[in-house]
Amino acid sequence: EIVLTQSPGTLSLSPGERATLSCRASQSVSNRYLAWYQQKPGQAPRLLIYGASSRATGIPDRFSGSGSGTDFTLTISTLEPEDFAVYYCQQYGGSPLTFGGGTTVEIK
Amino acid sequence: EVQLVESGGGLGQPGRSLRLSCTGSGFTFGDYAMIWFRQAPGKGLEWVGFIRNKPYGETTEYAAAVKGRFTISRDDSKSIASLQMNSLKTEDTAIYFCGRCRRPSILTSYYMDVWGKGTTVTVSS
Repeated sequence: EIVLTQSPGTLSLSPGERATLSCRASQSVSNRYLAWYQQKPGQAPRLLIYGASSRATGIPDRFSGSGSGTDFTLTISTLEPEDFAVYYCQQYGGSPLTFGGGTTVEIK
Repeated sequence: EVQLVESGGGLGQPGRSLRLSCTGSGFTFGDYAMIWFRQAPGKGLEWVGFIRNKPYGETTEYAAAVKGRFTISRDDSKSIASLQMNSLKTEDTAIYFCGRCRRPSILTSYYMDVWGKGTTVTVSS
């Protein structure tokens, strides 16, 4: 099973700042099969990124994903008030699919 | 609008059963594998299990924590995926989400492009 470790656990930033979230895998994620989700309190997760760098339908271009192998990054170029949430990475290159523990982006 | 709605959550006693449903709309339900996740209070996301669609035999796979206790089924004529939860344990307490599965090839696992809002299951005596 591929273990995903997300860092930092919490990111304290102000609106307008840049957010960089990390997701590290215990072994290589084949073909960059990694997704990112956003979850707000009391809501379902929402798909942001799949295939490490492809934005899902309707996702603003301030969200971007990058990386390969064992190291992946989600970048929010300019934080909007609605972006403060928990972010999860998930790999689907190997079975079973696995999630990271999440990064909370909070208002500083 | 593509939508998933979970139902059936509530209070269950340890050792008893609950059945959750996930109803899809706005898309051809039978074209997709469907998956169940859960999120315990204050915790992250945990995969529960999934069911493939008819071309793949409607086969199922389960996480180790629920294997042998939980069963997923589907009725494409009603656009419903169900999660039968037997032998409930207190650690099954969570919000249960269903999701629509996507994958780049039959050799990979899934990511989820549509999620329901979840239904809460509390297991307590």
